[in-house]
Amino acid sequence: DAGVTQSPTHLIKTRGQQVTLRCSPKSGHDTVSWYQQALGQGPQFIFQYYEEEERQRGNFPDRFSGHQFPNYSSELNVNALLLGDSALYLCASSPGGQAISETQYFGPGTRLLVL
Amino acid sequence: DQQVKQNSPSLSVQEGRISILNCDYTNSMFDYFLWYKKYPAEGPTFLISISSIKDKNEDGRFTVFLNKSAKHLSLHIVPSQPGDSAVYFCAASAYTGFQKLVFGTGTRLLVSP
Repeated sequence: DAGVTQSPTHLIKTRGQQVTLRCSPKSGHDTVSWYQQALGQGPQFIFQYYEEEERQRGNFPDRFSGHQFPNYSSELNVNALLLGDSALYLCASSPGGQAISETQYFGPGTRLLVL
Repeated sequence: DQQVKQNSPSLSVQEGRISILNCDYTNSMFDYFLWYKKYPAEGPTFLISISSIKDKNEDGRFTVFLNKSAKHLSLHIVPSQPGDSAVYFCAASAYTGFQKLVFGTGTRLLVSP
């Protein structure tokens, strides 16, 4: 049973460029959440997708956008990259629905470096 | 505003002894708590969780304790093994129809032989 997968593993971009990161959830999971982990910090919630819609968003600007496909996979897009966007981007999946407690399972992450 | 705090950035323990990692939170709406372990170049791995209706949950060598009145939880690892050396993150969520995790800054555990 494949876990959460993310691509690419590493990415180098320059300021002002745009980037797209991809995530495939764990089998049987329909909810995908994205987190940003800066160096020395814990992961910070960006947004969550369920039934192809964004259903909650953290404190991130509109430069960060996403999409969820019918097969539950998801993309994170970041426009107009800033140096401060350099971080590890983590995707997490969970069974979704209306469960009170859901364990989120994380992928290995995509490390983005903005020069 | 750091709603979940792990005040010890690092902890060193000898193999076979107990490791105790601590976490404090400020949001009284949090009702579900999790611990994740993270190795370098990997994503966080789920370790153990606890609902706010419980005060203890055990899974093998790992036990999580929740003290709601003190807004404090701890992770006990007994006995500690060198393979437990990793960064441990405490996370919390408040159910509002969906779940968003709020993480602490992590504690690096080093278990020496």
